Amino acid sequence: EVQLVESGGGLVQPGGSLRLSCAASGFAFSSYEMNWVRQAPGRGLEWISYISGRDSTTHYADSVKGRFTISRDNAKTSLYLQMSSLRAEDTAVYYCARKYSYGLSPLDVWGQGTMVTVSS
Amino acid sequence: EIVMTQSPATLSVFPGERATLSCWASQIVSSNLAWYQQRPGQAPRLLIYGASTRAPGIPAKFSGGGSGTEFTLTISSLQSEDLAIYYCQQYNSWPFTFGPGTKVDVK
Repeated sequence: EVQLVESGGGLVQPGGSLRLSCAASGFAFSSYEMNWVRQAPGRGLEWISYISGRDSTTHYADSVKGRFTISRDNAKTSLYLQMSSLRAEDTAVYYCARKYSYGLSPLDVWGQGTMVTVSS
Repeated sequence: EIVMTQSPATLSVFPGERATLSCWASQIVSSNLAWYQQRPGQAPRLLIYGASTRAPGIPAKFSGGGSGTEFTLTISSLQSEDLAIYYCQQYNSWPFTFGPGTKVDVK
């Protein structure tokens, strides 16, 4: 079964840091480009970061650029999101999502999400 | 950045009726447009990609259309399990952007 499982969410103070993980199983992880998408409480979806399969090319939304870092460990079939200088507006459920194929393609597999709350 | 808009914000439909959702892109995105369903308390699920191709396992009651900047999602014969928020997303250029969503209520 193709599966993505996020972990690492929790309560963090403004200005703090947190590292999210996403464990992948059931597919050839290194062959797929991966993404993080977040959803603030009661709000819509916001794509925030992308990483390629092998050469680790990355893209970021302006809202997180310079504060968040996406990475992956293909040997451990895991995706990560290092978040620093966290703000209240970063409070959201964070989803990892697989890109369907190379090139222009949608997100076809999603994890269940992990909640991050930034508050003092 | 390409801005996505959706209409209506909320759509209430009787069981068995058809629902038509609209999505517009601020720039041409060709057919690089996807639709996702998000049921309450669940993660999003890919329904349609390439503007009109159903994702694996998605029933034929869901159909997509359009290209360029205007797109539609049609749900035929609405049932209670279709109660959800539906998002469109363009993946033609970075950043990949989502619309604000259409909430579908079953009367």
